[in-house]
Amino acid sequence: SQKIEQNSEALNIQEGKTATLTCNYTNYSPAYLQWYRQDPGRGPVFLLLIRENEKEKRKERLKVTFDTTLKQSLFHITASQPADSATYLCALVAGYSTLTFGKGTMLLVSP
Amino acid sequence: DGGITQSPKYLFRKEGQNVTLSCEQNLNHDAMYWYRQDPGQGLRLIYYSQIVNDFQKGDIAEGYSVSREKKESFPLTVTSAQKNPTAFYLCASSIAVSEGYNEQFFGPGTRLTVL
Repeated sequence: SQKIEQNSEALNIQEGKTATLTCNYTNYSPAYLQWYRQDPGRGPVFLLLIRENEKEKRKERLKVTFDTTLKQSLFHITASQPADSATYLCALVAGYSTLTFGKGTMLLVSP
Repeated sequence: DGGITQSPKYLFRKEGQNVTLSCEQNLNHDAMYWYRQDPGQGLRLIYYSQIVNDFQKGDIAEGYSVSREKKESFPLTVTSAQKNPTAFYLCASSIAVSEGYNEQFFGPGTRLTVL
């Protein structure tokens, strides 16, 4: 069956360090993968999209990689700040279909 | 301001009652979606609509109904047939339902509690 797996344990890091979140998938061949940020009690907000033929995408302090051989995407936040604390969701779609979301990983950045 | 609005933010209902959650967008998007989110769970798709007067079931449509009479509006009714309706409901829209390159814009959500 198709699965999207994100680490269910919260990631705790210190301010200024790089946070790395993982998204693994099985039985998908996605053409695109998206990352969203969700704050408690609010709707997700789109951050980045990466295509299958792109190895890496950057936006300010954010970097996403997409390895279709490993079936994995990594999401990096450099120089992390307490304001980056949130839950981060990956989402993907294969073919003409709707997005399927992972359960998300909570990131906690301490001062 | 462009965006998606959902109302109400909090909703309480008694068992056996139907309740309708509102979702409006002024982004001129063709596609709209309803998701349900439970604690520690990801977003699960209830229904989606690609165009006015058309909608498709998602992964967990049982006990829910929708309508799409206007492009801007996509209300969700939680019926008494939904066995476990207490959850956080999110509405979203995108330019189209296509091959995953269109980001989705989410509303602020409605938290439904069944008493």
